[in-house]
Amino acid sequence: GAVVSQHPSRVICKSGTSVKIECRSLDFQATTMFWYRQFPKQSLMLMATSNEGSKATYEQGVEKDKFLINHASLTLSTLTVTSAHPEDSSFYICSARDGRGVENTQYFGPGTRLTVL
Amino acid sequence: GQQLNQSPQSMFIQEGEDVSMNCTSSSIFNTWLWYKQDPGEGPVLLIALYKAGELTSNGRLTAQFGITRKDSFLNISASIPSDVGIYFCAGQLVRSGGGNKLTFGTGTQLKVEL
Repeated sequence: GAVVSQHPSRVICKSGTSVKIECRSLDFQATTMFWYRQFPKQSLMLMATSNEGSKATYEQGVEKDKFLINHASLTLSTLTVTSAHPEDSSFYICSARDGRGVENTQYFGPGTRLTVL
Repeated sequence: GQQLNQSPQSMFIQEGEDVSMNCTSSSIFNTWLWYKQDPGEGPVLLIALYKAGELTSNGRLTAQFGITRKDSFLNISASIPSDVGIYFCAGQLVRSGGGNKLTFGTGTQLKVEL
């Protein structure tokens, strides 16, 4: 299947700093990417849908000014957690939609573990 | 956000046993997906279902798309230790206008005893 990468895989930062997470589709172009957050022992919760060249669509309850999303190219989307606090510590996972087939399959990245001290 | 009800929440089975888990929704989906997630990793797609009533296999895994389009089940036959992990169902409403968000189930933790 298609490959999606994330960088970094793990980040530890101080409270109040900003952290940028990259999501790349390596062997296909993704017009749409999705960002999820997963707390321990819980399911994946969609944060926002990122469309190349346009503003992201955020799910209810997700602050767009805190979680900045940029989808500047067909293979790259970034999520910036601004002024991070300990409650933002979580596992952040992106997925990219492979639009080549009719199935609109989403492929997931390996995730980024964010720990805010 | 909405989550799909998945059961059982966890299972502890013997190696070689068959496993069955299901997922139910209050709303209709036109695509059902099953993923497996290992600790510290992203979900990996196991099986995708695109039509009500469809029964699809992938090795020892078999999944079915419910006739009502509100449920799906996953069976694993002859479980082995590497089947350990968390299994998530996901429903998707694929529309021509875009969107195509996934709604995930609550997950089933599978543990296999040797």
